[in-house]
Amino acid sequence: QKEVEQNSGPLSVPEGAIASLNCTYSDRGSQSFFWYRQYSGKSPELIMFIYSNGDKEDGRFTAQLNKASQYVSLLIRDSQPSDSATYLCAVRPDSAGGTSYGKLTFGQGTILTVHP
Amino acid sequence: DAGVIQSPRHEVTEMGQEVTLRCKPISGHDYLFWYRQTMMRGLELLIYFNNNVPIDDSGMPEDRFSAKMPNASFSTLKIQPSEPRDSAVYFCASSIRQVTEAFFGQGTRLTVV
Repeated sequence: QKEVEQNSGPLSVPEGAIASLNCTYSDRGSQSFFWYRQYSGKSPELIMFIYSNGDKEDGRFTAQLNKASQYVSLLIRDSQPSDSATYLCAVRPDSAGGTSYGKLTFGQGTILTVHP
Repeated sequence: DAGVIQSPRHEVTEMGQEVTLRCKPISGHDYLFWYRQTMMRGLELLIYFNNNVPIDDSGMPEDRFSAKMPNASFSTLKIQPSEPRDSAVYFCASSIRQVTEAFFGQGTRLTVV
């Protein structure tokens, strides 16, 4: 089982729709969760992070975390063509003293295309 | 701050040659990560350092790969000898404990022919 898995893509949505991106992780010790966006030919850049169960909203983006289900998602409302990119989920354990403390592991990524 | 700086941006080399990739992390960051990205395997963690000490190198694919961090402002990833299957984009990233976001460099696109 991969440490971080993302729903297979590519995902295509019409402009103005809600895009839903999902991620599951295997390490129950994971404490920090990140969503990165990567445009073609560019490096990943952080969109949002979430540490606590529940929802976290930032503009058109909402991150949702359910630690019991080991599941984290990203919703993009009012999707725009400029949102077309690969979205990467990353997790990090923050248990000080563990051998994997600080380790940041990424999922395979989901390609999102927003068509006009 | 200029961000994470990687060099070279592009590298084309012949199979069997030694390749050295370089990274300068953001000043003050105590974690440094080396990732490899391919279409087939996505973004794979190769190795990461904390305070210049390698913590986990389980992602290093073979003994042909080695990484060093001689000081807080410099790290290298070396491949010797290189093979065509090493062709990928190699990213360096850094972070600090208190702020767990990792900042990525622009990457080095390696092509081994």
